[in-house]
Amino acid sequence: KNQVEQSPQSLIILEGKNCTLQCNYTVSPFSNLRWYKQDTGRGPVSLTIMTFSENTKSNGRYTATLDADTKQSSLHITASQLSDSASYICVVSAGGYNKLIFGAGTRLAVHP
Amino acid sequence: NAGVTQTPKFQVLKTGQSMTLQCAQDMNHNSMYWYRQDPGMGLRLIYYSASEGTTDKGEVPNGYNVSRLNKREFSLRLESAAPSQTSVYFCASMSEQGWETGELFFGEGSRLTVL
Repeated sequence: KNQVEQSPQSLIILEGKNCTLQCNYTVSPFSNLRWYKQDTGRGPVSLTIMTFSENTKSNGRYTATLDADTKQSSLHITASQLSDSASYICVVSAGGYNKLIFGAGTRLAVHP
Repeated sequence: NAGVTQTPKFQVLKTGQSMTLQCAQDMNHNSMYWYRQDPGMGLRLIYYSASEGTTDKGEVPNGYNVSRLNKREFSLRLESAAPSQTSVYFCASMSEQGWETGELFFGEGSRLTVL
């Protein structure tokens, strides 16, 4: 069964610190991996999309990595800000319009 | 620049009542989607429309119907609401690169409670 597991479920860090969120997947066939940010009460917003051949992609202070051999991805947030407080969702595509598998998300709280 | 617009944002229904969630996108995208989001779970696909005039079932279609009214609009209907349909519903559309590398744009969500 196609699955996307994210860890930790929740995380609290102090403003200015770095953090790394993990995503492990068992999805076949693998097409691409996406990270989304979802603010409380809002819809998800895309951060990065990585295909099989890409192993790193950055979007400002967000850097996503992908290891297709171990089926793991991470999202690293540098110099966190209060506005980074949100849920971060990992999504893996198994190919096709109806084949996006969503993780349950990691809820990040950045405290002053 | 509205993107994906959903209405209503909040709704409370009694068991057995019906309602329609409306969704419209102004980005000229072909494919549109309806997802539900429940606590502790990833978003699950209810129905999708790869292009105007076509609709297909997703992972959890039971109890729902959809209409792709035109290229802009994709509505979701609950014919006889049940408490298990209490959820947050998201409409989305995908940019024209297609499912391989296309970006998925979400609406703000519709929060539905069925009593």
